[in-house]
Amino acid sequence: AQKVTQAQTEISVVEKEDVTLDCVYETRDTTYYLFWYKQPPSGELVFLIRRNSFDEQNEISGRYSWNFQKSTSSFNFTITASQVVDSAVYFCALSYGGSQGNLIFGKGTKLSVKP
Amino acid sequence: ETGVTQTPRHLVMGMTNKKSLKCEQHLGHNAMYWYKQSAKKPLELMFVYSLEERVENNSVPSRFSPECPNSSHLFLHLHTLQPEDSALYLCASSQDWDLSYEQYFGPGTRLTVT
Repeated sequence: AQKVTQAQTEISVVEKEDVTLDCVYETRDTTYYLFWYKQPPSGELVFLIRRNSFDEQNEISGRYSWNFQKSTSSFNFTITASQVVDSAVYFCALSYGGSQGNLIFGKGTKLSVKP
Repeated sequence: ETGVTQTPRHLVMGMTNKKSLKCEQHLGHNAMYWYKQSAKKPLELMFVYSLEERVENNSVPSRFSPECPNSSHLFLHLHTLQPEDSALYLCASSQDWDLSYEQYFGPGTRLTVT
């Protein structure tokens, strides 16, 4: 079965701390895509990154970085030097051949960054 | 207007009312989606339209009726809803209905059924 697990329901950190959000996925397909979305209190999900199953290269974008490891079926997201504006719910999602364009979402991790 | 817009942003309706949610995308995308987000539940995909044709209908009760008159507009018609239908309803679009494309979301409609 295809599945995305975000085991951390809520995380609370103090500003400037680094924080890693975990994502573990399950799929039997060899071709699949992984995504991260941010949902601030306003409600809109904001697309952060897409990674395909053939590209295990880690990616860095400013304070954000992603670690994709097929060996452990994980696609973890790290925020360096967190800021209050990073407070949001973060969702990891999976699409695979059988899902067409449909995304399988994890339950989300609520990150609270306190000043 | 840019991205994906949704109206209204908030809606309160009684169980006997009929209302409609509207979504518009300004991205030139070919696929559009309706999601339901309830408290403490994962995002639930409700409907998918690709090139104005419904391609997914995930066992959604008939009191929810989608309509896609063109590739830029998507509606969700609501009638005789139940209190458990109270949720955030999100619209999204993607370039095509394909596993490789990310989806772009609107701000959602917060629906309360009384």
